Amino acid sequence: AQTVTQSQPEMSVQEAETVTLSCTYDTSESDYYLFWYKQPPSRQMILVIRQEAYKQQNATENRFSVNFQKAAKSFSLKISDSQLGDAAMYFCAYRDFDKLIFGTGTRLQVFP
Amino acid sequence: EPEVTQTPSHQVTQMGQEVILRCVPISNHLYFYWYRQILGQKVEFLVSFYNNEISEKSEIFDDQFSVERPDGSNFTLKIRSTKLEDSAMYFCASRLPGGTEAFFGQGTRLTVV
Repeated sequence: AQTVTQSQPEMSVQEAETVTLSCTYDTSESDYYLFWYKQPPSRQMILVIRQEAYKQQNATENRFSVNFQKAAKSFSLKISDSQLGDAAMYFCAYRDFDKLIFGTGTRLQVFP
Repeated sequence: EPEVTQTPSHQVTQMGQEVILRCVPISNHLYFYWYRQILGQKVEFLVSFYNNEISEKSEIFDDQFSVERPDGSNFTLKIRSTKLEDSAMYFCASRLPGGTEAFFGQGTRLTVV
């Protein structure tokens, strides 16, 4: 069965600095989708970025980018120029056929 | 921007009572989902629904749970006889045919007392 592992329960970063959140997954599929979702204190799940496994190029959305290493089954999220509003739980997710399998999350704190 | 809407935002119910959580998916989406997040834990898949039937369900989704699309806009999750351990945040999500990502609602916090 596919699994998603986030080994960092908590991370912290200073405003304007860069932080990287780690995610690894396990699958025997060759084509799949990976996602990062942000969950602020309001607890809504907000899509941050997605990556299609067959695409070599790492996805980028403004200050958010991923480092996708298919062979290593690694999918880390880099947040550049961190802002106070980035403070939230971040969940990595793998799309297994038609459902999402989530990791346990990383709580990101941003200090001024 | 279209969004998934869930009501109520917070529901408190007594153990053993039936509860219905409501969702209005994005209008042209045809794939619907319910997920659950127990406080402090990860988000877990409950059920997916397409073409008026369940596509897939998890082990959590036992006989106490049911889903329904009673009309062209609503998608509901019913828990027949709630238990204390059903207390959680419940998220509805929907997806376009051929779309890659699911869009989540803001969640319903269910508290069973």
